[in-house]
Amino acid sequence: SQTIHQWPATLVQPVGSPLSLECTVEGTSNPNLYWYRQAAGRGLQLLFYSVGIGQISSEVPQNLSASRPQDRQFILSSKKLLLSDSGFYLCAWMGQENTGELFFGEGSRLTVL
Amino acid sequence: AQSVTQPDIHITVSEGASLELRCNYSYGATPYLFWYVQSPGQGLQLLLKYFSGDTLVQGIKGFEAEFKRSQSSFNLRKPSVHWSDAAEYFCAVGLNYGQNFVFGPGTRLSVLP
Repeated sequence: SQTIHQWPATLVQPVGSPLSLECTVEGTSNPNLYWYRQAAGRGLQLLFYSVGIGQISSEVPQNLSASRPQDRQFILSSKKLLLSDSGFYLCAWMGQENTGELFFGEGSRLTVL
Repeated sequence: AQSVTQPDIHITVSEGASLELRCNYSYGATPYLFWYVQSPGQGLQLLLKYFSGDTLVQGIKGFEAEFKRSQSSFNLRKPSVHWSDAAEYFCAVGLNYGQNFVFGPGTRLSVLP
């Protein structure tokens, strides 16, 4: 069966420090991969999605970047964090059959101080 | 532009009472519609989805939703709420044949014993 792993689960970082959140999917190949951010009391904001290795679409211009170095690996990065980057980051995948169902990881809570 | 609204930010119901969570969308084409549930500090889980056909769809955990094209609505219902249903509920529209999604802001459900 398919599983999705996301880490670290929680992270506290100072302003101006770098960021790397990692997401891996097991049990499927060539999935669509997504990074969402959920700010307190707000819905989900799509940050990036990828339909294949090295293919990244950015939905919101910002301080963050994403990479997909391997088929089932999706990384969210920043060179210098801002206070406004604090939030709950969710990785998700969808199979190539495009059933429309997103499968979410457990999330990474980022606090920037 | 595509959008999803959930008019109720927070709803409180007593255990055993019926529940209806509202969702309205704005999308030019025939939408793919979804309801997801999120427990605190967790990722999202799909409750149900509508692609086409019968406008009343059944989901997991005893939930159902009805698609009403004339009202651009996809309201979620449950006849008898359980304490374990306390969570945040998100309505979403799938775009580009499910390649991408727009999420509503969410409705937080509290259940009184």
